[in-house]
Amino acid sequence: AQSVAQPEDQVNVAEGNPLTVKCTYSVSGNPYLFWYVQYPNRGLQFLLKYITGDNLVKGSYGFEAEFNKSQTSFHLKKPSALVSDSALYFCAVRGSGDYKLSFGAGTTVTVRA
Amino acid sequence: DGGITQSPKYLFRKEGQNVTLSCEQNLNHDAMYWYRQDPGQGLRLIYYSQIVNDFQKGDIAEGYSVSREKKESFPLTVTSAQKNPTAFYLCASSPGDRQPQHFGDGTRLSIL
Repeated sequence: AQSVAQPEDQVNVAEGNPLTVKCTYSVSGNPYLFWYVQYPNRGLQFLLKYITGDNLVKGSYGFEAEFNKSQTSFHLKKPSALVSDSALYFCAVRGSGDYKLSFGAGTTVTVRA
Repeated sequence: DGGITQSPKYLFRKEGQNVTLSCEQNLNHDAMYWYRQDPGQGLRLIYYSQIVNDFQKGDIAEGYSVSREKKESFPLTVTSAQKNPTAFYLCASSPGDRQPQHFGDGTRLSIL
C-alpha cells in the first residue's frame, strides 16, 4: 500500500524568509511525486512533479522540491516566501504502473507580513 | 480556455434523496476521478475512470455511483445510502499516469 505523511499540520513563516513543507512517502517501486496547492473553496493547483531524473525539481511560482530516495522524502521549498503563498499544500504519490494517487493530509502555510 | 467545470458550486440534500454532481472537461483527457475532501483528511478517492464506459471503485465508493457515457463527462451520484455525505467533492482528470491531475473548483454538499 502507498501512503504519504505530512508531519506538520501548520507552518508559519515571515514574508521573505525561506519556506519548507515536509513530505515523506511509502510506495512499491519507483515513486511519482506531486505537490499541489489549494486556496479556500477552490480546487487543487499543480505546483511540480518528480518522475525521474534530477533530484531537485523546479516548479511554478518559485517553488522547488528535493527528492531524497534514501529518506523517502520530497520536501517543498521556497527561498523567499510571500504573503500570497498562504494556502493549503498537499503532497501526493503514486507507484509506477499504479492508477491511484495517494494524498497527504495537507499542511496549512501562513506567511505573515 | 480548457479546464474542468463542476456544478453546482453548492448543493443541499434532504434525507433519503439522491443528488448528482456534474463534472465536465474539455481537456481531451482519458482518465477522470472523483475525490472527497474532509477537513484534516486530505483527499480520498471515490471512483475513477480510465476510459469511456468503464470505471472502478476507489477507497470509499460505498453510497456513491458514477457513469462515463462520454469522454467529457463523469457525473457522481450521492445516494441515500451515503449516511455522511457532507463534504467538499472534487473532480479531476489526467492524460496519463505520469502527468499531473487537473482539478475542478469543487462542489460543497450539505445536509438539510
